[in-house]
Amino acid sequence: GESVGLHLPTLSVQEGDNSIINCAYSNSASDYFIWYKQESGKGPQFIIDIRSNMDKRQGQRVTVLLNKTVKHLSLQIAATQPGDSAVYFCAENMNTGFQKLVFGTGTRLLVSP
Amino acid sequence: GAVVSQHPSWVICKSGTSVKIECRSLDFQATTMFWYRQFPKQSLMLMATSNEGSKATYEQGVEKDKFLINHASLTLSTLTVTSAHPEDSSFYICSATTGTAFNQPQHFGDGTRLSIL
Repeated sequence: GESVGLHLPTLSVQEGDNSIINCAYSNSASDYFIWYKQESGKGPQFIIDIRSNMDKRQGQRVTVLLNKTVKHLSLQIAATQPGDSAVYFCAENMNTGFQKLVFGTGTRLLVSP
Repeated sequence: GAVVSQHPSWVICKSGTSVKIECRSLDFQATTMFWYRQFPKQSLMLMATSNEGSKATYEQGVEKDKFLINHASLTLSTLTVTSAHPEDSSFYICSATTGTAFNQPQHFGDGTRLSIL
């Protein structure tokens, strides 16, 4: 089924800590996954992506891990900063032959100075 | 690069009126544009996919006669909410891509907050 969010779980961390945000996706056939950051009143901003033939990908301060066995995706943010405070969504491409993204429920990250 | 602009960013109107939202790709040609709706504290839900010059493909449960989508050029798509009612109040977000490949990144606008009184 498709993910529908009813509420936003919240992760609170101290500045400088590492943050790990988790996501369970719905379709074992999904071939592409993306993490987005959404600040209040704005559209989603691309953070990092990963294809289904990979299990790890690193960017600047961010790492995405993919575990297809349990349909789990995680986003690790190193040395979290107050500017990282936002809602983070994972999205999966449903592999229907054309692009169709289904977004996860989202996690609110609060970073305290 | 890859900037998507939405207009207006916020609109309030009376029940029964129609509202048009514009989505423009400012520095690239968008072969495909997507329209999403987001209710407070919830995730983005895809409403429809539009390809330039063809009819939009609507997701299940989205009324095509209620939400009219036009993608007449490679830089502009519009969403018209017809005869809007309070339950249509939401945050509407568009995105655009330069191709149809599964890993072509979607570039998002900053959304339009629609409030129907």
